[in-house]
Amino acid sequence: NAGVTQTPKFQVLKTGQSMTLQCAQDMNHNSMYWYRQDPGMGLRLIYYSASEGTTDKGEVPNGYNVSRLNKREFSLRLESAAPSQTSVYFCASSVYRPTDTEAFFGQGTRLTVV
Amino acid sequence: KNQVEQSPQSLIILEGKNCTLQCNYTVSPFSNLRWYKQDTGRGPVSLTIMTFSENTKSNGRYTATLDADTKQSSLHITASQLSDSASYICVVSDVGDMRFGAGTRLTVKP
Repeated sequence: NAGVTQTPKFQVLKTGQSMTLQCAQDMNHNSMYWYRQDPGMGLRLIYYSASEGTTDKGEVPNGYNVSRLNKREFSLRLESAAPSQTSVYFCASSVYRPTDTEAFFGQGTRLTVV
Repeated sequence: KNQVEQSPQSLIILEGKNCTLQCNYTVSPFSNLRWYKQDTGRGPVSLTIMTFSENTKSNGRYTATLDADTKQSSLHITASQLSDSASYICVVSDVGDMRFGAGTRLTVKP
């Protein structure tokens, strides 16, 4: 009963490097989300996917791209990492949007860009 | 300005004591309000959900209240335990999005 699984858990990047954060859910949810969490701030939505094959920008999409590979998987890519992208990233999923269904979160990826 | 404000930012209490966390919001239109618990190094986990018509909802030692007129919610924790040490996040949803508060960091000491 894994729920939402994120990889990796920790990552250190040099400025300008690229990487992809992976997320998979096994709950047959339609909607998936990527958030970032910074100290003293609430989680902020980067991108979301309401269903397989669709993606939309959230509040802070600049510097990121996403792919909804299939119903289970939703990846987040940093093409050219910047120190401002140092954060904890959470993937989440829910049955569908609007958000009257519970969102389930992964354990998070702590990313440091030096 | 964040549409969901929580207070206090942090709180330290002794094991066995009660505490109340506050959430004020300006999100409109209102769909529902959830309280999430986030343990260190983990993702948030839902504790309660409240809709417009609900005033109080309990989940074990956790009791959430909602005043939709004043747009305020509280989370009361009774007889705190060491395992209650965590961040508690208020999340208010409009018809399509979740708006997150910055959270209250609760530390329960023996």
